[in-house]
Amino acid sequence: EDQVTQSPEALRLQEGESSSLNCSYTVSGLRGLFWYRQDPGKGPEFLFTLYSAGEEKEKERLKATLTKKESFLHITAPKPEDSATYLCAVQPQGAQKLVFGQGTRLTINP
Amino acid sequence: DTAVSQTPKYLVTQMGNDKSIKCEQNLGHDTMYWYKQDSKKFLKIMFSYNNKELIINETVPNRFSPKSPDKAHLNLHINSLELGDSAVYFCASRIGTGSSPLHFGNGTRLTVT
Repeated sequence: EDQVTQSPEALRLQEGESSSLNCSYTVSGLRGLFWYRQDPGKGPEFLFTLYSAGEEKEKERLKATLTKKESFLHITAPKPEDSATYLCAVQPQGAQKLVFGQGTRLTINP
Repeated sequence: DTAVSQTPKYLVTQMGNDKSIKCEQNLGHDTMYWYKQDSKKFLKIMFSYNNKELIINETVPNRFSPKSPDKAHLNLHINSLELGDSAVYFCASRIGTGSSPLHFGNGTRLTVT
């Protein structure tokens, strides 16, 4: 069964304190791995798609990386506005759906 | 504004009632989805349509019936609502049936009392 597990469940950092969020997955062939950001009361907002092991993508203070078993979302020198829930999802080969993890709730204190 | 829009944003109703949620996208996408997000923030696929054709029908009670009148609209009708149906329902869309990103609406919070 396709499965996505994110850790930690919640993470509290001080402004400027860099860290990483983990997304471990088991899937019968990976078509794509997606990172989303979700703010309270809003829908998930797309951040990155990664397709193959070794791939990396960057956007502002965020950098996503991918191996054959997991993905990391690195956040460098975060600001309070980076506070949100970060969701990871995989699309299995031959499937049209995304399978989501339970998310990491990130809080950045000023 | 180009977007995925859902109505209503909030829906409070009693057990046993029937209700509908509407979704429209003006992104020119041809594949649309319904996801359910439970109290633990876990997003689970329910249905998907591509050009008005049902392509995903997960294990969902048959009280839930999606309808896609055209590729820009996907509605969700729920009969005989139960307490366990309380959740946030998200509509999403994407281009084609490949691996392009899903674009989500802002959700409909359904509360069944």
